[in-house]
Amino acid sequence: ETVLTQSPATLSVSPGERATVSCRASQSVGDNLAWYQHKPGQAPRVLIYGASTRAAGIPARFSGSGSGTDFTLTISSLQSEDFAVYYCQQYNNWHSFGQGTKLEI
Amino acid sequence: HLQESGPGLVKPSETLSLTCTVSGGSVSSSDYYWGWIRQPPGKGLEWLGSLYSTGSTYFNPSLKSRVTISVDTSQNQFSLRLTSVTAADTAVYSCARGLRIYGATGPWDPWGQGVVVTVSP
Repeated sequence: ETVLTQSPATLSVSPGERATVSCRASQSVGDNLAWYQHKPGQAPRVLIYGASTRAAGIPARFSGSGSGTDFTLTISSLQSEDFAVYYCQQYNNWHSFGQGTKLEI
Repeated sequence: HLQESGPGLVKPSETLSLTCTVSGGSVSSSDYYWGWIRQPPGKGLEWLGSLYSTGSTYFNPSLKSRVTISVDTSQNQFSLRLTSVTAADTAVYSCARGLRIYGATGPWDPWGQGVVVTVSP
């Protein structure tokens, strides 16, 4: 089983600031990693896949980087609608998710 | 669009059964695969299993003996069955479509809204 460890668990930032979330895999997942945004009462939405490819309709302020075991999601200038929980997910070895990072004001 | 349906309350030791109705695409398409994911209260997301257009299914090893996924192409639906449930199976259950990236397994997009299933006498 590939375990994904996200950090931090909670990130407090202000609108307009930059936010960075990390995800570390217990073994290499290549670039088979996605990031999701999850807001209360809504279905999770994929932001990034292939570690760095933005999904259709995702604003350019969202970017992903990394490969192998260490990955990063960066939101360059936070908007009010970006405050949510973010999950990483690997699909290289079955599927597993990180425990989530809550982005709060 | 994906929509889950099924009982919101299941008794311990019984079988949980949920259906996902797909609209705007075909469950038979080889461009996608389909699956179930759950989130227990206060916990993280857990993949339950996946179904491919070939009919192949794959399950989380931790649940493998209790979970099955089937498809009804005539109704454009796929279903989850989880046997011998306990309180630990209480969760929000979501169905999702998986993208095939250059023919390989890709991320989940989109997801259904999810349905709350409580296991209780």
